[in-house]
Amino acid sequence: GDSVTQMEGPVTLSEEAFLTINCTYTATGYPSLFWYVQYPGEGLQLLLKATKADDKGSNKGFEATYRKETTSFHLEKGSVQVSDSAVYFCATNSGGSNYKLTFGKGTLLTVNP
Amino acid sequence: KAGVTQTPRYLIKTRGQQVTLSCSPISGHRSVSWYQQTPGQGLQFLFEYFSETQRNKGNFPGRFSGRQFSNSRSEMNVSTLELGDSALYLCASKGRAGGETQYFGPGTRLLVL
Repeated sequence: GDSVTQMEGPVTLSEEAFLTINCTYTATGYPSLFWYVQYPGEGLQLLLKATKADDKGSNKGFEATYRKETTSFHLEKGSVQVSDSAVYFCATNSGGSNYKLTFGKGTLLTVNP
Repeated sequence: KAGVTQTPRYLIKTRGQQVTLSCSPISGHRSVSWYQQTPGQGLQFLFEYFSETQRNKGNFPGRFSGRQFSNSRSEMNVSTLELGDSALYLCASKGRAGGETQYFGPGTRLLVL
């Protein structure tokens, strides 16, 4: 079946550090890829997405590029802020079934001032 | 435009009881999906409704059921609650204009004692 693998957390960084959270996927068909963020006590918010190979999704300084050859969708940010502290989830809606998202386990990011 | 709303936000039940959770999608969205989030299993797809019909179902026992009304609001029911049903239940809606992007509500946190 479809699966998403994220780097294990937690990740702790100092403010203004560079962030990378690795994500690889296994999926059939032509999946779209997503990054969602979950702040404490809240639901999921869409951070960015990419719908086809070589697409780059970006939002709020975060970026991720859909790499079909390596089946990856790594999340990056050049300079993190304390307010970026949250849990980040990589997800795919593989096989053209756009109703179901398969999520990674999530990566907890803590940014210290 | 108002986001996805879920009620109640918090719920405490005892084993053997049943519970009904409610989700109101973004106006104009006809697809509603439900997910269960637990620390051990992460985010798992429960089912999806579109135009009052269940289109797809995840791998959950029959104690988990749902329905959708003509105004696209959805309810999820869990009968004969077990301790392991304690979780955050997230609802997501999707509309044609948004493509495959699912927008999540804040969730209902269910505690089974």
